[in-house]
Amino acid sequence: QSVLTQPPSASGTPGQRVTISCSGSSSNIGSNTVNWYQQLPGTAPKLLIFSNNQRPSGVPDRFSGTKSGTSASLAISGLQSEDEADYYCAAWDDSLKGPEVFGGGTKLTVL
Amino acid sequence: EVQLVQSGAEVKKPGESLKISCKGSGFIFSSYWIGWVRQMPGKGLEWMGIIYPGDSDTRYSPSFQGQVTISADKSISTAYLQWSSLKASDTAMYFCARLLAVAGRRHLDFWGQGTLVTVSS
Repeated sequence: QSVLTQPPSASGTPGQRVTISCSGSSSNIGSNTVNWYQQLPGTAPKLLIFSNNQRPSGVPDRFSGTKSGTSASLAISGLQSEDEADYYCAAWDDSLKGPEVFGGGTKLTVL
Repeated sequence: EVQLVQSGAEVKKPGESLKISCKGSGFIFSSYWIGWVRQMPGKGLEWMGIIYPGDSDTRYSPSFQGQVTISADKSISTAYLQWSSLKASDTAMYFCARLLAVAGRRHLDFWGQGTLVTVSS
């Protein structure tokens, strides 16, 4: 069972806007920034959003992140077929005295 | 160009030892933390631990403490993940990644391609 909670699946049609939630606690999301990673089928994860809402160079502005309290969300607007992937939220957890913790992942299906 | 290139797939028997590698290029390897992440078949990502090659400072996720050993050789820009006695449950894809830590912000900005480890009798 993951420390951060995500819905196992999400879906949308091309052009739609979808959001993926990530719920944590005061020791992780509540006191640290949130990152999001995208894992396309059969490939390594890729950094999608860092520090709650920052996009690395090359990531389209269709992807956006927000954080409020102990929860965070990833939004994808103008959904495209190539967005079909697994999405993971992550945050450092002060109570674990170890590295970052991941959410369980959300499989996004583009219908 | 920043790159992390991992060693190839491995097939081992239970009880055997194994060391896989992750070679960095395009950046000062000794100045960045390198992390290891496990992904079991059909499952999510799990942090295993991180190492700072500059001084070999190593931190383990509690779930992996004592189960694996993370090391690095900064002279050849390579990090390692090793097992002394593999179990079938170690079958997974293992990724290394560079940790960018600046002004309190920490994230894995570059990833290796992954090493598939299969443990079967």
